[in-house]
Amino acid sequence: SQQGEEDPQALSIQEGENATMNCSYKTSINNLQWYRQNSGRGLVHLILIRSNEREKHSGRLRVTLDTSKKSSSLLITASRAADTASYFCATDAYNTDKLIFGTGTRLQVFP
Amino acid sequence: DVKVTQSSRYLVKRTGEKVFLECVQDMDHENMFWYRQDPGLGLRLIYFSYDVKMKEKGDIPEGYSVSREKKERFSLILESASTNQTSMYLCASSTTLVGIGRDTQYFGPGTRLTVL
Repeated sequence: SQQGEEDPQALSIQEGENATMNCSYKTSINNLQWYRQNSGRGLVHLILIRSNEREKHSGRLRVTLDTSKKSSSLLITASRAADTASYFCATDAYNTDKLIFGTGTRLQVFP
Repeated sequence: DVKVTQSSRYLVKRTGEKVFLECVQDMDHENMFWYRQDPGLGLRLIYFSYDVKMKEKGDIPEGYSVSREKKERFSLILESASTNQTSMYLCASSTTLVGIGRDTQYFGPGTRLTVL
């Protein structure tokens, strides 16, 4: 069952611009994570934000979480061509070790 | 660094064949997962295991089975492969220990399986 839905499905920007991706989910969570997937490869964990946090930073990444709206956003600042990938949000299935992934946003950054 | 390896990057099998996909992790993680990934559908959980010899069905277990005889190894088995099982298969592991890294899943590079 799909918990997270990313928006937009695809995003194309120029190098140097910021990229914003959104994720909405349906049920209560302990945390929300963002993962990145290069074409044809496995997923790589980027950042985790807990339900009692509102914002978190890691390098050029900024994640926000609004539990009242059941939504999160991932902002990549000063994008680079190497940021081209698919980005997935994942929420924990409450009190289990499972994650529920969204369908992802495909980001294309043109040099 | 956590390393999760999968036995093959690409695999081509014929309908009806028995297929084994192997996954090994080197971080002594308790949890291991098998997903399939299809365009427009995201990642769907097939099976997961939270301990040796333990397994739980995920969202789409039909047509699959799993085996976890050792903590580091989690195998996905297609008893009789069908064309609708053509997909990218991803293995992941995570720890149940409280602290940094809890809840994060570490993925292998994936196996792209084609069933003809």
